[in-house]
This record gives sequence, structure tokens and C-alpha cells, in this order.
Amino acid sequence: NAGVTQTPKFQVLKTGQSMTLQCAQDMNHEYMSWYRQDPGMGLRLIHYSVGAGITDQGEVPNGYNVSRSTTEDFPLRLLSAAPSQTSVYFCASSSQASGSTKNIQYFGAGTRLSVL
Amino acid sequence: AQTVTQSQPEMSVQEAETVTLSCTYDTSESDYYLFWYKQPPSRQMILVIRQEAYKQQNATENRFSVNFQKAAKSFSLKISDSQLGDAAMYFCAYRLYSGGSNYKLTFGKGTLLTVNP
Repeated sequence: NAGVTQTPKFQVLKTGQSMTLQCAQDMNHEYMSWYRQDPGMGLRLIHYSVGAGITDQGEVPNGYNVSRSTTEDFPLRLLSAAPSQTSVYFCASSSQASGSTKNIQYFGAGTRLSVL
Repeated sequence: AQTVTQSQPEMSVQEAETVTLSCTYDTSESDYYLFWYKQPPSRQMILVIRQEAYKQQNATENRFSVNFQKAAKSFSLKISDSQLGDAAMYFCAYRLYSGGSNYKLTFGKGTLLTVNP
């Protein structure tokens, strides 16, 4: 049972570099999302998707791009990293089907990103 | 917009004692879910308990229970018989009941719980 898998677990970037945080889920969930966690701020929504080909912005989308070409994958792209993007990033997924697990979001283990 | 407030940045409890973490939220909606997530030092987000707003009965999961006061928009978490493994950051979260874009979770800023042996 892999659940939600995020790679890498840690990453250090220099300002201006680009990178992609990977997120994959094997539960056939329609809904996927990206959050960032900063000290004293809780988790804030960056982008989300309700299905393949459909994405939308969350609370803090600036500096990030996403796409959803398959149900399983939802990568988060930083085109030009900035120190303000130093954070811990979480991917989450949830089913829209009926049932007791419908309302539960499953989280990946997180990616700790430092931008120097 | 919905907001979630956790007024206790840090709490501590003696092992085997009971502790209550507070959470209040602001919404104009009537149908929604509330959650408590635990984040231990491993960083993994673990669902502790959830409450459907339309249910009057408070949710319980073993040593964890909630006091859900819909009119007061209050959702506190009680941990009974605290164990060392309960030490973690706890987040309160809200989401609307219906699907689509309403699957978004709104989190509080968290309460860091320390359990003293």
C-alpha cells in the first residue's frame, strides 16, 4: 500500500534554479492538492486538481505551476526558485466516491526544500 | 472565506493525564467537516479524528474525542490517558461538505503538544 508518494524528501536549490516536486498516488483518487507548511503558519493550499486535465489555484499559487495529465500524478513545478519558497511541501489526495473514506485526505511524507 | 483558529501555540501534559486542545472556526456554511491531524517529528500528517457538522454526536476514536459546539463554532480535541507517543503538532482543519473544489482543507496554525514523563 504505497498511498501518496512524494519525491524527493529533501532538496537544496540556488535562487533562480528550477525543479519539479513529484507526487503520485495509487488509490485512483480524483482530487489531489499541494500544500506548503511554514513555521507558525499551518498548511496553506498552493494548487489543487479535481481530475485529469483540471487544475486550479489555492491560497498561495504565485511562483508555482502544476499540471495533471494522469489521475495518478500531480507534479509541482518551481520555475525560478526564490528563498521565500523555502518550506516543507505536502501533496494530498482524496476520493470523491461515496463511502466512509470519501472525506479523508491522505498526505505524502513531505518534501523539505531549501532555496539559498 | 473560512478561517480556523488555534489559540494555543503550545500545550503540555503529564503522561496518563488528560489534555484539551482548542479550535474555533468561522464559516457561513451549514454543512462541513472538521478534522484533527497529528504531525509527529517524522513530519507525516496523520488523521486523528473527524466530525461531520450535521451530526450532533461528538466523534470518538479510542483515547481521542471531540467537543463539537456548532453554534459556538468550536471544535476541541480531548486526549485522555496521554502517552509519550502523543507528543506532536496538532492541526485543526475545516472543509466544506460537498465535493469539487470544496475538497480544499483550511488549517489552523497548529498546537505543539509536549508529553512529560
